[in-house]
Amino acid sequence: AQKITQTQPGMFVQEKEAVTLDCTYDTSDPSYGLFWYKQPSSGEMIFLIYQGSYDQQNATEGRYSLNFQKARKSANLVISASQLGDSAMYFCAMRERNTDKLIFGTGTRLQVFP
Amino acid sequence: DSGVTQTPKHLITATGQRVTLRCSPRSGDLSVYWYQQSLDQGLQFLIQYYNGEERAKGNILERFSAQQFPDLHSELNLSSLELGDSALYFCASSVESRFTDTQYFGPGTRLTVL
Repeated sequence: AQKITQTQPGMFVQEKEAVTLDCTYDTSDPSYGLFWYKQPSSGEMIFLIYQGSYDQQNATEGRYSLNFQKARKSANLVISASQLGDSAMYFCAMRERNTDKLIFGTGTRLQVFP
Repeated sequence: DSGVTQTPKHLITATGQRVTLRCSPRSGDLSVYWYQQSLDQGLQFLIQYYNGEERAKGNILERFSAQQFPDLHSELNLSSLELGDSALYFCASSVESRFTDTQYFGPGTRLTVL
């Protein structure tokens, strides 16, 4: 069964530094998509970045990049040059080819301090 | 702004009551998904509609039902409400229903059952 694990309940990072949020997943399907979402205190879910299981290169979107290690089944989110506005909950999610739902991890709360 | 709209933003009601949550997907998106976010259960997939037809069911209670209308907007109906139904309910939409399609989330409806 598909499963997402985020082992860091909370992380602190200083402004302008880089931070890595961990995500490991479990699936027996060779075809899947991995997604990261950001949830600020206001509550909305904001899509950040996507990585497909067959993608050869790590995904990047602005200051966000995904460190995809398929053999280790990990899809860590790297945020470069952290900003105060990056303080939020971050969720890793996965969708297998043969299912119609996103499975979410429990999230990591990131706090950026000056 | 993801382009997905949800109304109302907040809803306060009493146990035993029935409420309807409304969602309008992004223009051109055919799939609509409903998720529930609660403190104890995290983010849980409830149900998906694709172009008017029910596509997949998740952990949706029998007291809950949904539909997608010809104009592709969707409604989630929650009846015989219990205290435990208090949660943030998200609607998301995607272009199609492929596992690679990004799901864009609406701002959510915060339901409080007293």
